Amino acid sequence: QKEVEQNSGPLSVPEGAIASLNCTYSDRGSQSFFWYRQYSGKSPELIMSIYSNGDKEDGRFTAQLNKASQYVSLLIRDSQPSDSATYLCAVNIGGGSYIPTFGRGTSLIVHP
Amino acid sequence: DGGITQSPKYLFRKEGQNVTLSCEQNLNHDAMYWYRQDPGQGLRLIYYSQIVNDFQKGDIAEGYSVSREKKESFPLTVTSAQKNPTAFYLCASSPGLANEKLFFGSGTQLSVL
Repeated sequence: QKEVEQNSGPLSVPEGAIASLNCTYSDRGSQSFFWYRQYSGKSPELIMSIYSNGDKEDGRFTAQLNKASQYVSLLIRDSQPSDSATYLCAVNIGGGSYIPTFGRGTSLIVHP
Repeated sequence: DGGITQSPKYLFRKEGQNVTLSCEQNLNHDAMYWYRQDPGQGLRLIYYSQIVNDFQKGDIAEGYSVSREKKESFPLTVTSAQKNPTAFYLCASSPGLANEKLFFGSGTQLSVL
């Protein structure tokens, strides 16, 4: 079974700190990786996508991908209470169909 | 504005009843998906469709059925065979099936009476 693993948390950080969220995946053929943010009772919204090894920055968010070690991470700088949400890692598993497979999500709590 | 519309927002099912969740998109996307989310869990794939009149089972298709008669529409029926249907159901679409992000509807919360 091709899997995407995340620590369910909750991860609690103080306002202004860096939040680090991690995700590992089992299929070496995976080619695209996404981070979605989901507020309670709402649908997921895309935060970041990354396709190549290394870092990709967008505002306060940085996605990091290491295909050799099969992990992808999301860093949130200057965390705000409004960042409190569940962060879902999604990996498009290869094998010809590229179906998005989701981890169970990490709950982030940013406290004032 | 383009987007994905799911209805209803809340749905209640009686035992032995089939219920249908609606999903419509005007993004001209080829691929559409149905996911189920249980509390504290990630999204699990029920069915997906790449083109009209074709669809494939996902990881948890038992007790569910779908149709794709139009590009814009991908309704999900929760049948009486699904013994534990209480969950948050999310419909999504993407331009194709290759390395592309998903666009989500607002979800339907299904509960059993």
